[in-house]
Amino acid sequence: QKEVEQDPGPLSVPEGAIVSLNCTYSNSAFQYFMWYRQYSRKGPELLMYTYSSGNKEDGRFTAQVDKSSKYISLFIRDSQPSDSATYLCAMIPNAGGTSYGKLTFGQGTILTVHP
Amino acid sequence: NAGVTQTPKFQVLKTGQSMTLQCAQDMNHNSMYWYRQDPGMGLRLIYYSASEGTTDKGEVPNGYNVSRLNKREFSLRLESAAPSQTSVYFCASSERGNSPLHFGNGTRLTVT
Repeated sequence: QKEVEQDPGPLSVPEGAIVSLNCTYSNSAFQYFMWYRQYSRKGPELLMYTYSSGNKEDGRFTAQVDKSSKYISLFIRDSQPSDSATYLCAMIPNAGGTSYGKLTFGQGTILTVHP
Repeated sequence: NAGVTQTPKFQVLKTGQSMTLQCAQDMNHNSMYWYRQDPGMGLRLIYYSASEGTTDKGEVPNGYNVSRLNKREFSLRLESAAPSQTSVYFCASSERGNSPLHFGNGTRLTVT
């Protein structure tokens, strides 16, 4: 079983829809959670970075973390064709040492928003 | 603001050839990383450098070497390329170990 599970999709939605992207994880040591967006032939771009359980909002994006359920989500409101990309969740344990900088990524969800 | 810059963008090698992938960051970050991205495998850590003067193996280090040249630059060397090393290579940097990573736009490497 992978440490981080993410539905690869693909997910296709109409413009203006609310999109929900999700990841589950098995390692309770994960404390920092990130969402990245990756356009074709580009590097991953950081969208959201959260530490604690709860919600964090940035414009049309809301990241939600539920550590008790080991579940994180990214919501995109009023989705636009420019949101079409692969979305990657990533997480890292709190401690240093052997876990240093070792982000564990989900497989990525391919999202298409059609006009 | 350039962020993380990788060179070259594309490269084709024959089996057994060597090459060095270059990476530089201008964000004054302490930590730098090399990842490879393959279909169905996601992003996997090859090597990382927690700070200038240190390097450590990641998940898939075999066949690679790295050099942290200074605080800005971190290179990845393939001494004898193999077809299994065909991949997209990403360099990333972060302020510290649990900070978010900032990625470059990748080097697409094909080994024939």
